[in-house]
Amino acid sequence: SQQGEEDPQALSIQEGENATMNCSYKTSINNLQWYRQNSGRGLVHLILIRSNEREKHSGRLRVTLDTSKKSSSLLITASRAADTASYFCATGYGAAGNKLTFGGGTRVLVKP
Amino acid sequence: DGGITQSPKYLFRKEGQNVTLSCEQNLNHDAMYWYRQDPGQGLRLIYYSQIVNDFQKGDIAEGYSVSREKKESFPLTVTSAQKNPTAFYLCASSISQGGYTFGSGTRLTVV
Repeated sequence: SQQGEEDPQALSIQEGENATMNCSYKTSINNLQWYRQNSGRGLVHLILIRSNEREKHSGRLRVTLDTSKKSSSLLITASRAADTASYFCATGYGAAGNKLTFGGGTRVLVKP
Repeated sequence: DGGITQSPKYLFRKEGQNVTLSCEQNLNHDAMYWYRQDPGQGLRLIYYSQIVNDFQKGDIAEGYSVSREKKESFPLTVTSAQKNPTAFYLCASSISQGGYTFGSGTRLTVV
């Protein structure tokens, strides 16, 4: 079963705009991770946020986690055409926190 | 360079045939995973292994088998019992509490 559900399913923006996508999950987690997938390729790890963290930054990426609402958001600032991809959230659970359940993804199109 | 290699990139299977997908990593990661991705969908866990000589079923293990005889290798066999095997298969590895490193995937098609 898929624990994480992304919203929206698809997003189209102009280059330079910000892109925000959300992820909701159902049960307690150890950590939450975001990945990017270009068409037909493997996934690339973007950022990991632990259950006791509330916000994390990496370059133009900002991730928030609200465990009381069981939700997370990924913000990409000043988007570029190269950011066009599908973005997946994945929830890690168990003692090691490294068994992940992936959501269905948000497809982002950045128009030049 | 450290990484994870999947082969082949494309694979065609005839009805009733078993096929094996290769996954090799040189990252010294203990854990390895196999996921299946259908068009426009997220990833579903087939099997995972936290340590050599041990592996666990994921959410959709029926029709698949794995082995973990070496730390570096985690091959996946798609058996004839898997009735709808056409999909994109992704292998990954990780350390505890870390993000996954994915291979570039194998696209399997039944002909």
